[in-house]
Amino acid sequence: AQSVTQLDSQVPVFEEAPVELRCNYSSSVSVYLFWYVQYPNQGLQLLLKYLSGSTLVKSINGFEAEFNKSQTSFHLRKPSVHISDTAEYFCAVSDPAAQGYQKVTFGTGTKLQVIP
Amino acid sequence: IAGITQAPTSQILAAGRRMTLRCTQDMRHNAMYWYRQDLGLGLRLIHYSNTAGTTGKGEVPDGYSVSRANTDDFPLTLASAVPSQTSVYFCASSAGTDNSPLHFGNGTRLTVT
Repeated sequence: AQSVTQLDSQVPVFEEAPVELRCNYSSSVSVYLFWYVQYPNQGLQLLLKYLSGSTLVKSINGFEAEFNKSQTSFHLRKPSVHISDTAEYFCAVSDPAAQGYQKVTFGTGTKLQVIP
Repeated sequence: IAGITQAPTSQILAAGRRMTLRCTQDMRHNAMYWYRQDLGLGLRLIHYSNTAGTTGKGEVPDGYSVSRANTDDFPLTLASAVPSQTSVYFCASSAGTDNSPLHFGNGTRLTVT
């Protein structure tokens, strides 16, 4: 069975400071990795994904995540955060070996609070 | 704007009552899902449908039922609501392959009293 761990439930950071949101996963097979963002009173939106190829993936709004197979991690980073980045971030894995349906396992989420 | 529409946005429901949460997508996605989101637990899959006419049980299916009569609609029914079903419910869809991202609606906040 696969699992996703987001150890930090909340991360406060000052505006324009860098941030790292941690994600570790466990799986007996290769997986696809995703980060989703949830703004207040909205559904989750895809932020970025790793399927294959380059281990560093980037979003259009400055976030990036690096797939590290040996450490089974997929940490999310941004060099300089903005107030508008305040949201909850979910790491997720999709099991390509799942039978019957697209099995996506979500972490418990990290609330990023950007302080002016 | 293409996407997923959920209704109602919020609802307060007495225990024992029946309730159907509605979900409609206009992206012609094959696969649809219902998740519940609870504080500290993340999102948990209730039921899924890979294509119209088929449904399956997810991680927490007890007390819920679904149907998929066509591609666009995927209603979730609580036959007899209980307080533990108080949650935020999200409908999602995807192209159905294992590397497809999920597209979510804005959720239904349900309180069972």
